[in-house]
Amino acid sequence: GQQLNQSPQSMFIQEGEDVSMNCTSSSIFNTWLWYKQDPGEGPVLLIALYKAGELTSNGRLTAQFGITRKDSFLNISASIPSDVGIYFCAGRERGGYQKVTFGIGTKLQVIP
Amino acid sequence: NAGVTQTPKFRVLKTGQSMTLLCAQDMNHEYMYWYRQDPGMGLRLIHYSVGEGTTAKGEVPDGYNVSRLKKQNFLLGLESAAPSQTSVYFCASRPWDLDGEQYFGPGTRLTVT
Repeated sequence: GQQLNQSPQSMFIQEGEDVSMNCTSSSIFNTWLWYKQDPGEGPVLLIALYKAGELTSNGRLTAQFGITRKDSFLNISASIPSDVGIYFCAGRERGGYQKVTFGIGTKLQVIP
Repeated sequence: NAGVTQTPKFRVLKTGQSMTLLCAQDMNHEYMYWYRQDPGMGLRLIHYSVGEGTTAKGEVPDGYNVSRLKKQNFLLGLESAAPSQTSVYFCASRPWDLDGEQYFGPGTRLTVT
């Protein structure tokens, strides 16, 4: 089946720094998704990308759908303490039940 | 608007016991999903439903059963719990349209001793 490699698995950063994380896949997806999960909560969708090459922003977050359709990255600018959490990438297939494959997550900790 | 809700939030079972997890959504979504989340692994799909009265197996269906008798509810059952089913379970729903995305519930933390 499809596999997603998400990196890094964890990171400690200073408040105010920029953060970058990425996902690569062994095969192509039609949609790339980025979720954030706070402790004790379910994942919340941050950004959805629908076209190869697409670059989308949501406040301080920017994500891109790789041109090969096998990768995506998420950048967070000027991190703040509430950015702490686990960030998941996910790829969605078209057709069938539109299966979503999730990465293992990047645990982000922000040092005030 | 509650979105996706799950009950219970926590549960401890002994090996061999049974239980049912309830997921409810008030967004009139067609698709519903049950995932489990384990340390060091991404969310893995257990079962899903594309509409009322329909269910299908996901990646890791063994040991679980589901039912979708009403559009807004999706039940996950464990007939004979095993320690390997200790996990956090998430329900999600999404609308029918191609670019509709999944909305997740807050999760149920299940421990099987």
